[in-house]
Amino acid sequence: EAGVAQSPRYKIIEKRQSVAFWCNPISGHATLYWYQQILGQGPKLLIQFQNNGVVDDSQLPKDRFSAERLKGVDSTLKIQPAKLEDSAVYLCASSLESSGWRGYEQFFGPGTRLTVL
Amino acid sequence: EDQVTQSPEALRLQEGESSSLNCSYTVSGLRGLFWYRQDPGKGPEFLFTLYSAGEEKEKERLKATLTKKESFLHITAPKPEDSATYLCAVQQGAGGGNKLTFGTGTQLKVEL
Repeated sequence: EAGVAQSPRYKIIEKRQSVAFWCNPISGHATLYWYQQILGQGPKLLIQFQNNGVVDDSQLPKDRFSAERLKGVDSTLKIQPAKLEDSAVYLCASSLESSGWRGYEQFFGPGTRLTVL
Repeated sequence: EDQVTQSPEALRLQEGESSSLNCSYTVSGLRGLFWYRQDPGKGPEFLFTLYSAGEEKEKERLKATLTKKESFLHITAPKPEDSATYLCAVQQGAGGGNKLTFGTGTQLKVEL
């Protein structure tokens, strides 16, 4: 079974430039997440989609970050304009659709390492 | 607000020297506690999910346990290939969606 795919793997940009990341989740997974992982910290949720809809974007800096998930499959995360503090690894994860009491495990992609100079 | 604290921050073991990693948590209505392994330059790799106090799960040299306030990841007779960062995360109950709140991890180094 193919895992979560992300691209690019690495990106270096100047501050105030824009950047976009792409994610393709595991087939059949209705829920998709974007996390930000700063060096030495655990991942922090930026946004969660269930199918096409946004479930949680409370920690997404909406003045500069945006995300979309068209047709309930692939997703893109965009930063415009980037700041130095956005340097981090951006992880995409997917899981089965959330229902009932059970929390389904999330499967992560390899991440995109962003460096903002 | 959900909180997850992992200890120690770093651990160095000799091959075969068993030990435990701790994950203390504060969450309103635990839906699940997750353990992940993360190798340098890679995304977290799922290991275990625990749902209720008293539950235990095992996989090769790893065993995860859960109480009402903390979880332990026991590593028995570790090998160098067990070297990685181990992340603990909690998932809140009703109203919390599927959001995972992660700790900062324990960096494990197993030496020959």
